[in-house]
Amino acid sequence: SALTQPASVSGSPGQSITISCTGTNSDVGGYNYVSWYQQYPGKAPKLIISDVSRRPSGVSNRFSGSKSGNTASLTISGLQAEDEADYYCISYTSNITPVFGGGTKLTVL
Amino acid sequence: ELQLEESGGGLVQPGGSLRLSCAASGFTFSNYAMTWVRQAPGMGLEWVSHISGSGYSKYYADSVKGRFTISRDNSKNTLYVEMKGLRAEDTAIYYCAKDPGYVDWPAGAYDLWGQGTMVTVSS
Repeated sequence: SALTQPASVSGSPGQSITISCTGTNSDVGGYNYVSWYQQYPGKAPKLIISDVSRRPSGVSNRFSGSKSGNTASLTISGLQAEDEADYYCISYTSNITPVFGGGTKLTVL
Repeated sequence: ELQLEESGGGLVQPGGSLRLSCAASGFTFSNYAMTWVRQAPGMGLEWVSHISGSGYSKYYADSVKGRFTISRDNSKNTLYVEMKGLRAEDTAIYYCAKDPGYVDWPAGAYDLWGQGTMVTVSS
């Protein structure tokens, strides 16, 4: 089943926020294959973190990923208005297929 | 420029069939696994299917297994998904995406996406 993310988070410019992604030992907790995507309305998703904490070339270092047990986290530091978007986590699973989280809407106040 | 462009979407009746295509350019297509991800209107992302660079290994979500078939033609730099027995719940934007190639299985990291093609299943 889908990974669990908060439906929404918010923060003010300059603050840091963290989005959680909770799974089980069969997905998040069992493998270091968690990725995060940013999606603006009407646009395709963009990879911002892979393999729990690897940041692709060109992605701002304000984005960072981590994992503890069955929960992965995406942290955005120095929040900017342009960070307002939907964020999705995805993890490899013991079914040999990946599963997405339900998504989190980030609002910059 | 690295690019993926989907085509083939449209309106289809329940029980009908449709084939989506994804044309790749700007990279050596055969070196990379590819995937299909869909997004129902106003909903989240759903992983659909994945194929290895050679086309030998294929993986499917339970929701489409037995109805969808992923394939690729490396001579044409094109990815396909053949969809049969379509249901209303298959209505979505279908995105193709490129695997970065770090591992040989669908780990969920996709570093290049197309803009998507809309599939509507309705009578």
